[in-house]
This record gives sequence, structure tokens and C-alpha cells, in this order.
Amino acid sequence: AQKVTQAQTEISVVEKEDVTLDCVYETRDTTYYLFWYKQPPSGELVFLIRRNSFDEQNEISGRYSWNFQKSTSSFNFTITASQVVDSAVYFCALSEAVNYGQNFVFGPGTRLSVLP
Amino acid sequence: ETGVTQTPRHLVMGMTNKKSLKCEQHLGHNAMYWYKQSAKKPLELMFVYSLEERVENNSVPSRFSPECPNSSHLFLHLHTLQPEDSALYLCASSQDRRGSEKLFFGSGTQLSVL
Repeated sequence: AQKVTQAQTEISVVEKEDVTLDCVYETRDTTYYLFWYKQPPSGELVFLIRRNSFDEQNEISGRYSWNFQKSTSSFNFTITASQVVDSAVYFCALSEAVNYGQNFVFGPGTRLSVLP
Repeated sequence: ETGVTQTPRHLVMGMTNKKSLKCEQHLGHNAMYWYKQSAKKPLELMFVYSLEERVENNSVPSRFSPECPNSSHLFLHLHTLQPEDSALYLCASSQDRRGSEKLFFGSGTQLSVL
């Protein structure tokens, strides 16, 4: 069965600090997809990144970077030089490709507060 | 114009009321979803529609009744709800139902059942 764990319920940092959000997943499939979403106070979940299980290259997009390690079943997200606008709830999600169906499993989320 | 629009943003209803939540997507997607987000619980998938056909119902109580009249619109009809149904209800869409497809979300309807 699929499972996504985000052990950090809440994190508080001061602006300009770096912060890493952890995500650990479980799946029996060899083909799967990992996602990160951001949920600001306005409510909608905003897509940040998608990774497939065959691509373990780390990715950097501006201040955001992602570290995918299949050996530890982790897909961690780092924000460099955090800003107040980064304050939100961040969700990691897993989708399997076995069944033709959107079988998204979301983690419980990590609430990030960036203080000025 | 946002890709996925939900109305109303906030709704307060009594347990005997009947109300409907509306979702509209302007992305040309073929799949639409209802999710429930409660405090301290992970996002829960409620219903999946693909090409206007309901393809998944995750053991949702019958007091929630979805309707998908066309590929751009999705409704969630509510009747005789319970206080524990208070939550943020999120609509999402995707190009299709492949596992690789990302979901696009609306801003949600914050529902309070008194």
C-alpha cells in the first residue's frame, strides 16, 4: 500500500534561513511519481514539482531544490534563503502508475512559518 | 482567470439544509475530483470523474452526492450533513487519470455545519 510520511508537523524559521522539509514514501511499485504542493492561506494547492521514479537527478528552481533518493525512499524539499511569502503548508504526494487511475496519496503536510 | 474556480468560498449550513458546491475548470481537462481536507487529517479523495463518468467513490456517505454535467463542471450536493463534515472541500482537475498527471486545485469551499 502507498503511504507518505511528513514527520515535521510545523517548522518555524527566521527569514533568510534555509529550511528542509522531509518526505518519506512507501510503495511496492517500480513506476511511480512524486509531487510537492504548496498550500498558502488562500487555500488552493499549488503544484511545485513532479518527479518520476526513474529520474533521481536533483532539481533546482530558483530558491527551491529537491533531493530524491530511492535508496532511502525520500524526496526532500529545501528552500534556500527563506522569505515570508514561503509561509504555507507543504504537501508531498505519491502517485502510482500501475492502475489507470489518479491514485494520489498525500502526506499530512508540514506547516512552514517564516518570521520576518 | 484562475484555472479551477470554486464557489462559494465559505458556507455555513444547518444539519437539515441542502446546499451545493460548484467547481468549474477552464483548462480543458478530462478528469475532475473532490477532496476533503479536515483539520489534522490528510487530504481525502472523495470522488473522481473522468469524461463525465464517475469512476471512483471512496466510501463517501450518501449525504454527499456528486454531479458532473459536463467535463468543465462538477458539483457536490450536500444534505443532512453532520458537524464532523465541517472541512475545506477542494476541487481539482487533471488532463486525464494517468498517475503522471499533476492536479490543479481550486481555492476550496470552507464548510461549517452547525
